[in-house]
Amino acid sequence: GDSVTQMEGPVTLSEEAFLTINCTYTATGYPSLFWYVQYPGEGLQLLLKATKADDKGSNKGFEATYRKETTSFHLEKGSVQVSDSAVYFCALSDSGNTPLVFGKGTRLSVIA
Amino acid sequence: NAGVTQTPKFQVLKTGQSMTLQCAQDMNHEYMSWYRQDPGMGLRLIHYSVGAGITDQGEVPNGYNVSRSTTEDFPLRLLSAAPSQTSVYFCASSYSRTGGLVEQYFGPGTRLTVT
Repeated sequence: GDSVTQMEGPVTLSEEAFLTINCTYTATGYPSLFWYVQYPGEGLQLLLKATKADDKGSNKGFEATYRKETTSFHLEKGSVQVSDSAVYFCALSDSGNTPLVFGKGTRLSVIA
Repeated sequence: NAGVTQTPKFQVLKTGQSMTLQCAQDMNHEYMSWYRQDPGMGLRLIHYSVGAGITDQGEVPNGYNVSRSTTEDFPLRLLSAAPSQTSVYFCASSYSRTGGLVEQYFGPGTRLTVT
Protein backbone atom coordinates (compact mmCIF):
# COMPACT_ATOMS: atom_id res chain seq x y z
CA GLY A 1 0.00 0.00 0.00
CA ASP A 2 0.86 3.66 -0.08
CA SER A 3 3.30 4.97 2.51
CA VAL A 4 5.21 8.09 3.51
CA THR A 5 8.57 8.13 5.24
CA GLN A 6 9.97 11.30 6.72
CA MET A 7 13.09 11.96 8.69
CA GLU A 8 13.01 11.31 12.40
CA GLY A 9 13.20 14.25 14.68
CA PRO A 10 13.55 16.21 16.69
CA VAL A 11 15.44 18.76 14.65
CA THR A 12 16.97 21.69 16.51
CA LEU A 13 18.28 24.69 14.56
CA SER A 14 19.48 28.15 15.34
CA GLU A 15 17.52 31.09 13.98
CA GLU A 16 18.38 31.91 10.33
CA ALA A 17 19.72 28.39 9.68
CA PHE A 18 18.76 26.43 6.56
CA LEU A 19 16.11 23.75 7.01
CA THR A 20 15.60 20.51 5.12
CA ILE A 21 13.12 17.84 6.21
CA ASN A 22 13.26 14.78 3.98
CA CYS A 23 10.14 13.01 2.78
CA THR A 24 9.89 10.04 0.44
CA TYR A 25 6.80 8.17 -0.61
CA THR A 26 5.56 4.93 -2.10
CA ALA A 27 2.36 5.02 -4.14
CA THR A 28 0.75 2.97 -6.86
CA GLY A 29 -0.58 5.91 -8.84
CA TYR A 30 0.32 9.57 -9.24
CA PRO A 31 -0.46 11.06 -5.86
CA SER A 32 -0.86 14.62 -4.73
CA LEU A 33 1.69 15.53 -2.05
CA PHE A 34 1.26 17.79 0.96
CA TRP A 35 3.14 19.29 3.87
CA TYR A 36 1.10 20.05 6.96
CA VAL A 37 2.25 21.99 10.03
CA GLN A 38 1.03 21.63 13.60
CA TYR A 39 1.82 24.43 16.03
CA PRO A 40 1.75 23.63 19.75
CA GLY A 41 -1.77 22.93 21.01
CA GLU A 42 -3.39 23.26 17.60
CA GLY A 43 -4.70 21.08 14.79
CA LEU A 44 -2.90 20.50 11.52
CA GLN A 45 -2.99 23.12 8.81
CA LEU A 46 -1.90 22.86 5.21
CA LEU A 47 1.49 24.44 4.57
CA LEU A 48 1.92 23.67 0.87
CA LYS A 49 1.03 21.11 -1.77
CA ALA A 50 1.94 19.82 -5.23
CA THR A 51 -0.30 17.80 -7.50
CA LYS A 52 2.00 16.62 -10.28
CA ALA A 53 5.62 15.86 -11.04
CA ASP A 54 8.03 18.84 -11.01
CA ASP A 55 5.43 21.08 -9.33
CA LYS A 56 6.87 23.30 -6.60
CA GLY A 57 4.67 24.17 -3.66
CA SER A 58 5.59 27.23 -1.63
CA ASN A 59 4.22 29.17 1.31
CA LYS A 60 5.64 31.35 4.12
CA GLY A 61 9.18 30.89 2.78
CA PHE A 62 8.89 27.09 2.72
CA GLU A 63 9.26 25.18 -0.53
CA ALA A 64 8.99 21.58 -1.69
CA THR A 65 9.34 20.12 -5.17
CA TYR A 66 7.53 16.98 -6.35
CA ARG A 67 10.28 14.69 -7.64
CA LYS A 68 8.77 11.65 -9.31
CA GLU A 69 12.13 10.14 -10.28
CA THR A 70 13.25 10.00 -6.64
CA THR A 71 9.71 9.74 -5.17
CA SER A 72 10.52 12.62 -2.84
CA PHE A 73 8.98 15.85 -1.58
CA HIS A 74 11.58 17.40 0.71
CA LEU A 75 10.64 20.50 2.67
CA GLU A 76 13.13 23.41 2.66
CA LYS A 77 13.38 26.89 4.09
CA GLY A 78 16.35 29.18 3.65
CA SER A 79 16.22 30.96 7.00
CA VAL A 80 14.12 29.61 9.86
CA GLN A 81 12.59 31.69 12.63
CA VAL A 82 11.65 30.84 16.19
CA SER A 83 8.01 31.02 15.10
CA ASP A 84 8.61 28.05 12.74
CA SER A 85 8.95 25.73 15.74
CA ALA A 86 6.27 23.10 15.14
CA VAL A 87 5.69 19.53 14.00
CA TYR A 88 5.75 19.02 10.22
CA PHE A 89 3.89 16.19 8.49
CA CYS A 90 4.36 14.97 4.95
CA ALA A 91 1.29 13.34 3.37
CA LEU A 92 0.01 11.95 0.10
CA SER A 93 -3.38 11.53 -1.51
CA ASP A 94 -3.78 8.85 -4.12
CA SER A 95 -6.67 8.66 -6.58
CA GLY A 96 -10.32 8.45 -5.61
CA ASN A 97 -11.57 8.67 -2.05
CA THR A 98 -8.76 6.82 -0.34
CA PRO A 99 -7.69 8.49 2.91
CA LEU A 100 -4.62 10.68 3.11
CA VAL A 101 -1.50 8.81 4.19
CA PHE A 102 0.67 10.70 6.68
CA GLY A 103 4.26 10.38 7.74
CA LYS A 104 5.00 10.21 11.46
CA GLY A 105 5.90 13.89 11.72
CA THR A 106 9.15 15.76 12.41
CA ARG A 107 9.40 18.10 15.36
CA LEU A 108 11.39 21.27 14.64
CA SER A 109 12.69 23.53 17.38
CA VAL A 110 14.31 26.82 16.44
CA ILE A 111 16.34 28.59 19.10
CA ALA A 112 17.23 32.28 19.14
CA ASN B 1 -17.23 29.80 7.67
CA ALA B 2 -16.48 28.16 11.01
CA GLY B 3 -14.57 25.40 9.21
CA VAL B 4 -14.27 22.18 11.22
CA THR B 5 -15.43 22.40 14.82
CA GLN B 6 -14.94 19.81 17.55
CA THR B 7 -16.44 19.55 21.00
CA PRO B 8 -15.44 19.16 23.74
CA LYS B 9 -11.86 20.47 23.80
CA PHE B 10 -10.96 18.47 26.89
CA GLN B 11 -12.57 15.43 28.49
CA VAL B 12 -11.72 13.11 31.35
CA LEU B 13 -13.48 9.74 31.50
CA LYS B 14 -13.34 6.80 33.84
CA THR B 15 -12.65 3.35 32.44
CA GLY B 16 -15.84 1.82 31.09
CA GLN B 17 -17.68 5.08 30.50
CA SER B 18 -19.00 5.94 27.06
CA MET B 19 -19.07 9.26 25.31
CA THR B 20 -19.41 10.93 21.92
CA LEU B 21 -16.91 13.33 20.41
CA GLN B 22 -18.67 15.79 18.16
CA CYS B 23 -17.40 17.02 14.80
CA ALA B 24 -19.12 19.36 12.39
CA GLN B 25 -18.11 21.15 9.20
CA ASP B 26 -19.87 23.89 7.24
CA MET B 27 -17.96 23.59 3.96
CA ASN B 28 -20.23 20.96 2.36
CA HIS B 29 -17.34 18.50 2.18
CA GLU B 30 -18.23 14.93 1.26
CA TYR B 31 -15.22 13.40 2.97
CA MET B 32 -14.72 13.36 6.74
CA SER B 33 -12.36 11.43 8.95
CA TRP B 34 -11.22 10.88 12.52
CA TYR B 35 -7.60 10.52 13.62
CA ARG B 36 -5.91 9.97 16.92
CA GLN B 37 -2.50 11.41 17.68
CA ASP B 38 -0.19 9.80 20.22
CA PRO B 39 3.42 10.77 21.03
CA GLY B 40 5.83 9.27 18.52
CA MET B 41 3.01 7.65 16.51
CA GLY B 42 1.99 10.46 14.22
CA LEU B 43 -1.64 10.44 13.08
CA ARG B 44 -3.56 7.20 12.89
CA LEU B 45 -6.84 6.97 11.01
CA ILE B 46 -9.76 5.61 13.05
CA HIS B 47 -12.77 5.86 10.71
CA TYR B 48 -13.68 7.83 7.65
CA SER B 49 -16.72 8.63 5.53
CA VAL B 50 -16.98 9.47 1.84
CA GLY B 51 -20.51 10.80 2.15
CA ALA B 52 -23.71 10.74 4.19
CA GLY B 53 -24.66 7.15 5.03
CA ILE B 54 -21.25 5.73 4.12
CA THR B 55 -18.50 4.95 6.63
CA ASP B 56 -15.42 2.76 6.61
CA GLN B 57 -12.74 1.63 9.01
CA GLY B 58 -9.27 3.04 9.15
CA GLU B 59 -6.11 1.73 10.75
CA VAL B 60 -7.29 1.62 14.40
CA PRO B 61 -11.11 1.26 14.52
CA ASN B 62 -11.51 -1.04 17.53
CA GLY B 63 -13.42 0.51 20.41
CA TYR B 64 -14.90 3.30 18.29
CA ASN B 65 -18.13 3.70 16.32
CA VAL B 66 -19.16 6.33 13.80
CA SER B 67 -22.21 7.26 11.79
CA ARG B 68 -22.82 9.87 9.11
CA SER B 69 -26.48 10.81 8.93
CA THR B 70 -25.81 14.27 7.49
CA THR B 71 -23.09 15.82 5.37
CA GLU B 72 -22.20 18.23 8.16
CA ASP B 73 -21.77 15.95 11.18
CA PHE B 74 -19.51 13.00 11.90
CA PRO B 75 -19.61 12.00 15.59
CA LEU B 76 -17.16 9.51 17.08
CA ARG B 77 -18.47 7.24 19.84
CA LEU B 78 -16.34 5.54 22.44
CA LEU B 79 -18.34 2.53 23.57
CA SER B 80 -16.46 1.62 26.76
CA ALA B 81 -13.47 3.86 27.39
CA ALA B 82 -10.09 2.31 28.16
CA PRO B 83 -6.82 3.96 29.28
CA SER B 84 -5.33 3.02 25.88
CA GLN B 85 -7.76 5.49 24.32
CA THR B 86 -6.11 8.41 26.07
CA SER B 87 -5.07 10.56 23.13
CA VAL B 88 -5.73 13.71 21.16
CA TYR B 89 -8.48 13.23 18.58
CA PHE B 90 -8.70 15.22 15.38
CA CYS B 91 -11.55 15.42 12.93
CA ALA B 92 -10.88 16.46 9.32
CA SER B 93 -12.91 17.12 6.20
CA SER B 94 -12.19 17.47 2.51
CA TYR B 95 -13.76 17.43 -0.87
CA SER B 96 -12.44 15.01 -3.44
CA ARG B 97 -11.79 15.03 -7.12
CA THR B 98 -11.01 12.29 -9.56
CA GLY B 99 -7.30 12.68 -8.87
CA GLY B 100 -7.70 12.26 -5.14
CA LEU B 101 -8.53 14.27 -2.06
CA VAL B 102 -7.98 17.97 -2.11
CA GLU B 103 -6.46 19.34 1.09
CA GLN B 104 -7.95 18.24 4.37
CA TYR B 105 -9.12 20.79 6.90
CA PHE B 106 -8.55 19.84 10.51
CA GLY B 107 -10.45 20.71 13.65
CA PRO B 108 -8.66 21.98 16.78
CA GLY B 109 -8.73 18.59 18.48
CA THR B 110 -10.20 16.97 21.59
CA ARG B 111 -7.80 15.95 24.33
CA LEU B 112 -9.18 12.84 26.03
CA THR B 113 -7.87 11.29 29.23
CA VAL B 114 -9.18 7.94 30.45
CA THR B 115 -8.37 7.07 34.06
